[in-house]
Amino acid sequence: EVQLVESGGGLVQPGGSLRLSCAASGFTFSSYEMNWVRQAPGKGLEWVSYISSSGSTIYYADSVKGRFTISRDNAKNSLYLQMNSLRAEDTAVYYCARAVDYWGQGTLVTVSS
Amino acid sequence: SYELTQPSSVSVSPGQTARITCSGDVLAKKYARWFQQKPGQAPVLVIYKDSERPSGIPERFSGSSSGTTVTLTISGAQVEDEADYYCYSAADNNLRIFGGGTKLTVL
Repeated sequence: EVQLVESGGGLVQPGGSLRLSCAASGFTFSSYEMNWVRQAPGKGLEWVSYISSSGSTIYYADSVKGRFTISRDNAKNSLYLQMNSLRAEDTAVYYCARAVDYWGQGTLVTVSS
Repeated sequence: SYELTQPSSVSVSPGQTARITCSGDVLAKKYARWFQQKPGQAPVLVIYKDSERPSGIPERFSGSSSGTTVTLTISGAQVEDEADYYCYSAADNNLRIFGGGTKLTVL
């Protein structure tokens, strides 16, 4: 069974940093591209970032480019999102998704003073 | 343009056919996917490659495409189909985009 479990969310002040993790199991992690998608409270889905199966190709939404960094460790079956210079508008539930066909349950990030 | 446009809401009675559209220039060249999201839950893929249905998704869910518009059709909608639905595609610049979402009411 495919499982994706996000962690690392929490309350952080504007300008602060947070690192999200996503632990994958039930499939060959190194064979799949991965994505981070977020959803602000009461709002729609917003794609954040993509990383290829090897990690060699990476894309970011304009809204996070230069502030967020996606990475993966195929030996640990893990996906990461390093978030710096956080803003109030980054407040959202962050989901990791296997090629957007399977999703985790999400982790809440709240940016507030 | 790199936008996908959906109606904000669609309402049908149980047993009726619900149709949700998604429009955008990228859809003329790229496949679309559809996701169902119920309150407090993660999204679930219900259609990929415009019209393919993942295993485990009821046959009443179908998808179609014409030009720059894709359509999710739920034939014989049931109360449990009430949810938010999002279309999704990739843009020419390798970015990914979601539609704004459609709230389906079945009552």
